[in-house]
Amino acid sequence: DSGVTQTPKHLITATGQRVTLRCSPRSGDLSVYWYQQSLDQGLQFLIQYYNGEERAKGNILERFSAQQFPDLHSELNLSSLELGDSALYFCASSGRQLSYGYTFGSGTRLTVV
Amino acid sequence: GQSLEQPSEVTAVEGAIVQINCTYQTSGFYGLSWYQQHDGGAPTFLSYNALDGLEETGRFSSFLSRSDSYGYLLLQELQMKDSASYFCAVKGGKDSSYKLIFGSGTRLLVRP
Repeated sequence: DSGVTQTPKHLITATGQRVTLRCSPRSGDLSVYWYQQSLDQGLQFLIQYYNGEERAKGNILERFSAQQFPDLHSELNLSSLELGDSALYFCASSGRQLSYGYTFGSGTRLTVV
Repeated sequence: GQSLEQPSEVTAVEGAIVQINCTYQTSGFYGLSWYQQHDGGAPTFLSYNALDGLEETGRFSSFLSRSDSYGYLLLQELQMKDSASYFCAVKGGKDSSYKLIFGSGTRLLVRP
């Protein structure tokens, strides 16, 4: 157990639907990051939150949104889903130093059919 | 922006040594990180280099040359369990964010 909890582990949904992915960061970490990993691809940065506020944005589609709540858990909302959104979605958390690295959750595998 | 290049695939024999290279371009350098990811698993942090030179952690070492915008991950005494993808990463930009930009990954296959 890395300390970062992601739910659900698997999600199968139809095109056009909306889903919510949930992430609880490691205890003490204020930063949460969301990444998308398509089949055999690298990790694409979506968005970062720090202590409840959006800190950085990557190539996140307008159909996607996220937020971080006062208890520091974060949710990634994906709407109007398309087949191409099928991917592994990872959440990671970190402290204040890059030297300690990110701690990743086990990911949510989203399949859009 | 930031970009990283690493080989897509490397094959080596069990017990051997393998080096995975990474070249990067970034506006403002704040260190080079390495992550390991087994198929279907989560990436795990391996190492971080902020200064030039070699950092050793057990069988794994990581090297950085800031003047060449280059680093590598060295894996010694390869074991079958080292078969995985390895990603290098740099901090994305000069802002206060700690977001990491990852390379496309190097798939390492260790053969018996």
